[in-house]
Amino acid sequence: GAVVSQHPSRVICKSGTSVKIECRSLDFQATTMFWYRQFPKQSLMLMATSNEGSKATYEQGVEKDKFLINHASLTLSTLTVTSAHPEDSSFYICSASGLAGGQSYEQYFGPGTRLTVT
Amino acid sequence: AQSVTQLDSHVSVSEGTPVLLRCNYSSSYSPSLFWYVQHPNKGLQLLLKYTSAATLVKGINGFEAEFKKSETSFHLTKPSAHMSDAAEYFCVALNNAGNMLTFGGGTRLMVKP
Repeated sequence: GAVVSQHPSRVICKSGTSVKIECRSLDFQATTMFWYRQFPKQSLMLMATSNEGSKATYEQGVEKDKFLINHASLTLSTLTVTSAHPEDSSFYICSASGLAGGQSYEQYFGPGTRLTVT
Repeated sequence: AQSVTQLDSHVSVSEGTPVLLRCNYSSSYSPSLFWYVQHPNKGLQLLLKYTSAATLVKGINGFEAEFKKSETSFHLTKPSAHMSDAAEYFCVALNNAGNMLTFGGGTRLMVKP
């Protein structure tokens, strides 16, 4: 149990276009979802936290107008990178937190999405 | 505020020898602590977690970690390394409210044949 999926796993887009990444909790209701960014050979950096039905809370330095987060249901959150530029190329990982299988609220991580902006 | 420090960015061991990945934390309370493993271009897999029960925690794939409050440490160990253990390892702390993870910088484990 407690599976989180991300789609797509890899995406290549041209500079100036927008790309949407989906994060789904497959077998539990995720009251909170988190979006992380990971640069090569570095640790994960939290970008934003979103609660279902509420606006996301962004970490300092993260542009909310560039990284649009929607958490419209208890099983789906989306991250849209608008007007992408090569410096947005990165590995994006989501995690979901909720009462999974009767266990306490632990974060379960998705497999990540590799974004390359050309 | 809490912080997590992984003392080694790279660790190299020979196959069959013990593994020690070091982690120290700083917190005003006893946090929940986790070790995750990440293989290249993959997400994070939970190895084990400490949540104020037994201080010696056993995880998957033969890994274990010991919570030492006096040393504010949560080092990850394995008696005998396997080639498949080569990956990036993250020590992570969960805050008291249970809604924020703090990641260490990661340790890349290399296993030589």
